[in-house]
Amino acid sequence: GENVEQHPSTLSVQEGDSAVIKCTYSDSASNYFPWYKQELGKRPQLIIDIRSNVGEKKDQRIAVTLNKTAKHFSLHITETQPEDSAVYFCAASQRDSSYKLIFGSGTRLLVRP
Amino acid sequence: GAVVSQHPSWVICKSGTSVKIECRSLDFQATTMFWYRQFPKQSLMLMATSNEGSKATYEQGVEKDKFLINHASLTLSTLTVTSAHPEDSSFYICSQKGGLYEQYFGPGTRLTVT
Repeated sequence: GENVEQHPSTLSVQEGDSAVIKCTYSDSASNYFPWYKQELGKRPQLIIDIRSNVGEKKDQRIAVTLNKTAKHFSLHITETQPEDSAVYFCAASQRDSSYKLIFGSGTRLLVRP
Repeated sequence: GAVVSQHPSWVICKSGTSVKIECRSLDFQATTMFWYRQFPKQSLMLMATSNEGSKATYEQGVEKDKFLINHASLTLSTLTVTSAHPEDSSFYICSQKGGLYEQYFGPGTRLTVT
């Protein structure tokens, strides 16, 4: 089955700097890659997603890139703000598995003011 | 996006008892729902895929006789943790499959087994 690895596990940046979180997946059939932000005790919140027919997607300060050949995708947050501090999860899914989500292990992002 | 609720939001039960968690779709008919478990400071782990009117599909390593899932209607899926033990204490989150790709998560249920 699908396996998703995520790095780093923790990331501390200065406010205004950029943050990059990377994920790799194992199943080449995966074709949908969402990123979630989760605050303590809350549900995951979708912040951006990308499908396998696209190499890059951007939404204001957040962007995701996908390299299908290498089977990895990355989340880029620019101009970080303290409210960006949270745990971020990548995930992968595919049609043959009813688009169930297989999550990465998570990255705890701390933005220092 | 769709609105998904869970009940209860938190529950404390004694070891050996069973507890039922409800996941409701408030404004969307969901043929497919998913149940996840999240231990403290860990990721979400998929437990099972629940399809309306049929048996749930459990992930490898998840005991189907311990975690009973029922999806009897398009708006309600339930997870029953039978004979709960302290190691079952966790954050249980359901999600509803929306369109082709999207999932809409419930707020989660924190289960503590004493």
